[in-house]
Amino acid sequence: DAGVIQSPRHEVTEMGQEVTLRCKPISGHNSLFWYRQTMMRGLELLIYFNNNVPIDDSGMPEDRFSAKMPNASFSTLKIQPSEPRDSAVYFCASSSNRGKETQYFGPGTRLLVL
Amino acid sequence: AQSVTQLGSHVSVSEGALVLLRCNYSSSVPPYLFWYVQYPNQGLQLLLKYTSAATLVKGINGFEAEFKKSETSFHLTKPSAHMSDAAEYFCAGQNFGNEKLTFGTGTRLTIIP
Repeated sequence: DAGVIQSPRHEVTEMGQEVTLRCKPISGHNSLFWYRQTMMRGLELLIYFNNNVPIDDSGMPEDRFSAKMPNASFSTLKIQPSEPRDSAVYFCASSSNRGKETQYFGPGTRLLVL
Repeated sequence: AQSVTQLGSHVSVSEGALVLLRCNYSSSVPPYLFWYVQYPNQGLQLLLKYTSAATLVKGINGFEAEFKKSETSFHLTKPSAHMSDAAEYFCAGQNFGNEKLTFGTGTRLTIIP
């Protein structure tokens, strides 16, 4: 199994630029989660999808953040425009409907906004 | 609302000594509980999980955790620490029927040679 795949692994951008983070969940998994990890706030759930439908986006910080899941094998998290306070590690995780309590995490994307 | 508290943001133990990382949960209904480990610059890896079956749960790398309802605790232990155990450990909770995980603030484990 390839595991959850995230790209890019590192991203450095300037304030005001658009940033797109990508995630490929484990094949056959039905739920996909986006988390953000910072020193100040720890691990926060931003949004999660089930069967490509957003179920809970209450953790999305503001309108600058958006997430899509156009199909079962791909999701994006977009920040437009980016700000320095968005600097964090963004994790994607996926789970199966058969064992939905267990989430499998990707390696993360480390984002630095200058 | 579900919340998870980890006592001690940093724990240091000598190699070969007992590892004890503390986690308490707050919930009106016993939840599912998890321990994840994060090595530097990596994602989170599941160590073990409690899902209302046996209260003593064994995980990977020699770790285990015991669910104690009376103490609302789910502490992580390992009898003998190894240098490779140095990492950050996260306790997480999940209410039955809800996929959302609530994470504790993490405990950084340092192993002293």
